[in-house]
Amino acid sequence: DTAVSQTPKYLVTQMGNDKSIKCEQNLGHDTMYWYKQDSKKFLKIMFSYNNKELIINETVPNRFSPKSPDKAHLNLHINSLELGDSAVYFCASSPSRLTESSYNEQFFGPGTRLTVL
Amino acid sequence: RKEVEQDPGPFNVPEGATVAFNCTYSNSASQSFFWYRQDCRKEPKLLMSVYSSGNEDGRFTAQLNRASQYISLLIRDSKLSDSATYLCVVNKAGGFKTIFGAGTRLFVKA
Repeated sequence: DTAVSQTPKYLVTQMGNDKSIKCEQNLGHDTMYWYKQDSKKFLKIMFSYNNKELIINETVPNRFSPKSPDKAHLNLHINSLELGDSAVYFCASSPSRLTESSYNEQFFGPGTRLTVL
Repeated sequence: RKEVEQDPGPFNVPEGATVAFNCTYSNSASQSFFWYRQDCRKEPKLLMSVYSSGNEDGRFTAQLNRASQYISLLIRDSKLSDSATYLCVVNKAGGFKTIFGAGTRLFVKA
């Protein structure tokens, strides 16, 4: 009955490798997000998709490439991993695109703890 | 100046105490405001939305002051289970991006 799920939960890898994190939501939401939470616990948005369309792309290195095969999935692929990529990555979803008058709650996945050695 | 600022704490309070957190935001056109709670090594979860007129949910009261651009969260009769990090969240005008504060840590002790 998990609402937003991510795999893997832990990912330990060497610098220079390429890795992917998968996210799925079974809430029927239109919008999905990727956030990065660094060692200082600061949660920062990276990408947002609405109905498979990219609507937010923050200043993120192009080594990070999101892919949304359908509106229930938003995967994150990272090329040429660097030490600074070590963080917890959270996927989230909300019912619809956030608007000025919307109070849509975002539902978060359990997070993927990425460690780059 | 950060877009959303919070006192990182930690706040150490005894059970039963009342504790208040403040949060300031820089974009005067911000439209939606929330408090999320994040337990250690867990995902953030919505605690409550913050409405212009202020709102209450049990022991929790949220207030919004648009003129001064700050949001507050008041927790009455603190419980051990309230120990967590409380994240102030602001939705920028235009609606597509949500900004999280760095969080305020609360420890409630017996």
